[in-house]
Amino acid sequence: SVLTQPPSVSAAPGQRVTISCSGSSSNIGNNYVSWYQQLPGTAPKLLMYENNKRPSGIPDRFSGSKSGTSAALGITGLQTGDEADYYCGTWDSSLSVTVFGGGTQLTVL
Amino acid sequence: EVQLLESGGGLVQPGGSLRLSCAASGFTLRNYAMNWVRQAPGKGLEWVSVLSGGGDTTSYADSVKGRFSLSSDNSKNTLFLQMNSLRADDTAIYYCARGRIVGAAFWLDPWGQGTLVTVSS
Repeated sequence: SVLTQPPSVSAAPGQRVTISCSGSSSNIGNNYVSWYQQLPGTAPKLLMYENNKRPSGIPDRFSGSKSGTSAALGITGLQTGDEADYYCGTWDSSLSVTVFGGGTQLTVL
Repeated sequence: EVQLLESGGGLVQPGGSLRLSCAASGFTLRNYAMNWVRQAPGKGLEWVSVLSGGGDTTSYADSVKGRFSLSSDNSKNTLFLQMNSLRADDTAIYYCARGRIVGAAFWLDPWGQGTLVTVSS
């Protein structure tokens, strides 16, 4: 994948976890990042847009940030219902396509 | 309520063709950049194609360029993905998603529930 994410992260209920997304100047470095949550057996859902904006209905336990060519998704107060695959995405100005990270599987132990 | 509903998936032999549909409700499809994103079994998301708002520009991933083509029927508020010369590695769930563009920001919302395409003999 053009964007690099850790394959998996895990933490206990109530804890905090951060999922990283690394890219380059042609994508994250010069464009905004969005994040998507895919619960098991369902379609992806928008979780974060413009780096750190939450759509209506997304709790403030979820936060986003970007610095240089990397972005991160933070989740606090982990719940078992947060177990899902998380994907970062952005526009790549050199490739002129939308690019995604390989996805990170979150396990809440 | 803004919704997208895909249809048209199924089992097709290698080299065959299939046309996917994405019916939009709650908004006017031609006012947005409409995308197809696919997900092979057990794999991550792969962007496939986009039809620009207004429908005058299309763009495709290199993996499908020359084989897939986008079109729309504004009277039915429906997007189509014509897939020709299908290969085994095209096997995936195909999602339709509405694109939002604000300056250098781009995101996909909402997504449809997906339709499964299986290419196998």
